[in-house]
Amino acid sequence: RKEVEQDPGPFNVPEGATVAFNCTYSNSASQSFFWYRQDCRKEPKLLMSVYSSGNEDGRFTAQLNRASQYISLLIRDSKLSDSATYLCAVTRSYGGATNKLIFGTGTLLAVQP
Amino acid sequence: DGGITQSPKYLFRKEGQNVTLSCEQNLNHDAMYWYRQDPGQGLRLIYYSQIVNDFQKGDIAEGYSVSREKKESFPLTVTSAQKNPTAFYLCASSTPGLPSGNTIYFGEGSWLTVV
Repeated sequence: RKEVEQDPGPFNVPEGATVAFNCTYSNSASQSFFWYRQDCRKEPKLLMSVYSSGNEDGRFTAQLNRASQYISLLIRDSKLSDSATYLCAVTRSYGGATNKLIFGTGTLLAVQP
Repeated sequence: DGGITQSPKYLFRKEGQNVTLSCEQNLNHDAMYWYRQDPGQGLRLIYYSQIVNDFQKGDIAEGYSVSREKKESFPLTVTSAQKNPTAFYLCASSTPGLPSGNTIYFGEGSWLTVV
């Protein structure tokens, strides 16, 4: 089983739709959680961190469920420009005090006009 | 401008040849990382370095080597021992105590194709 798992998609949604992505992680000791956005053939860019209390940034809402070991990303009122791959990432300790980012495979979102 | 510079952006290599990917950062970050991404896949950690003259293997280090002689530079060599090197390679750097998410920066990546 992969340490971080996501539904690869693609998610094809019309403009204005609400879409939700889930990501599960297997290491209960994971400490920090993030969503990254990656455009085709580009580097990932941080979209938002995910906190236990949930956090919102405009049309984007992230949630963390530690008991069930999953994080979610909700995008409201989808725009064409939201089309991208969304990667979740979690930290785990790697041979010492330093934590490392472990990425899921990403979920492809295609917003249709 | 501050950031991470990777070069070359595109590289073709013949089978059996070693190739070195450059990664330079002017962010004064202590930690640097190399990730590999295959089509439709997430990022997998190859090597990381927390400080000059020190580096550690990640999850898929076989067939790769690195050096960290300067804080600013963390080159990755893809050796002939790497059986399937065609991939997108991403270099990243961060402040100590990573990650808080907002302190990791990626370069634009290098596309390596074996022909």
